Amino acid sequence: GEDVEQSLFLSVREGDSSVINCTYTDSSSTYLYWYKQEPGAGLQLLTYIFSNMDMKQDQRLTVLLNKKDKHLSLRIADTQTGDSAIYFCAEKAGGATNKLIFGTGTLLAVQP
Amino acid sequence: DTEVTQTPKHLVMGMTNKKSLKCEQHMGHRAMYWYKQKAKKPPELMFVYSYEKLSINESVPSRFSPECPNSSLLNLHLHALQPEDSALYLCASSPVPGGDTDTQYFGPGTRLTVL
Repeated sequence: GEDVEQSLFLSVREGDSSVINCTYTDSSSTYLYWYKQEPGAGLQLLTYIFSNMDMKQDQRLTVLLNKKDKHLSLRIADTQTGDSAIYFCAEKAGGATNKLIFGTGTLLAVQP
Repeated sequence: DTEVTQTPKHLVMGMTNKKSLKCEQHMGHRAMYWYKQKAKKPPELMFVYSYEKLSINESVPSRFSPECPNSSLLNLHLHALQPEDSALYLCASSPVPGGDTDTQYFGPGTRLTVL
C-alpha cells in the first residue's frame, strides 16, 4: 500500500521542542520530505532526507530516519508561534515517477 | 529563487462558466504539476507535465483540462465544474522529471469556489 500516516494534532508551548512523526510504507522510497502549510497558503518545502541517511540537521530542524521501521520524524527546536501550521511528510514513490505520496498531515499548535 | 506563482489567488465561478488557472515558474524546471487540496486533507495529484508533455493524468474528469504552452507556464482550464470541485488548487514544479533529487516546489495556490 501507499499509506503515509501521521498523528493529527500536536500542541506545544512556545520555547519547547516539537516532534512530529510519520510512518511510511514504500521501502523503495529514495527521498522523504517535510512540507509546512500555513492557513490558506501553499506548501513550503522545509527539508528532505535521502534514504541512506539516518539524520539531517538544518538550523532548528532535525530529521531522523529509521529505515528499518519506515519511521520519519521532524524535530523543531525552540518552537515559536510562527511555527503553528500543518506539517506534511511525503515520500517519493519508487520507480521512474514524479509522484509524491503525502502523509495525512499534523496540525501543530504553539501556545504562547 | 524557488518561486512558483499562481493566479488568480481566489476564484468564484458558476457551474456554467469557463475559467482558467495559471501557474508560472522561472527556475528552469522541466516538470510541472497540478494538485487539488480539500480542507484538512493532503494534496491529491491531478496532472504531471514532463518536458511540456502530459505524463500523468490521475483519472481526472474531463471538465479539468491542463495545458503547458511552454516550459515556464502551466494552465488549468475549467468548464462545467461542480460544487464539489471547490478546493485549493496547487501548482508545483521540479527540476528534472523522474530524477532522484527531483524536489517539488509549490505555489501559493488558487482558492476555487464553485457555486
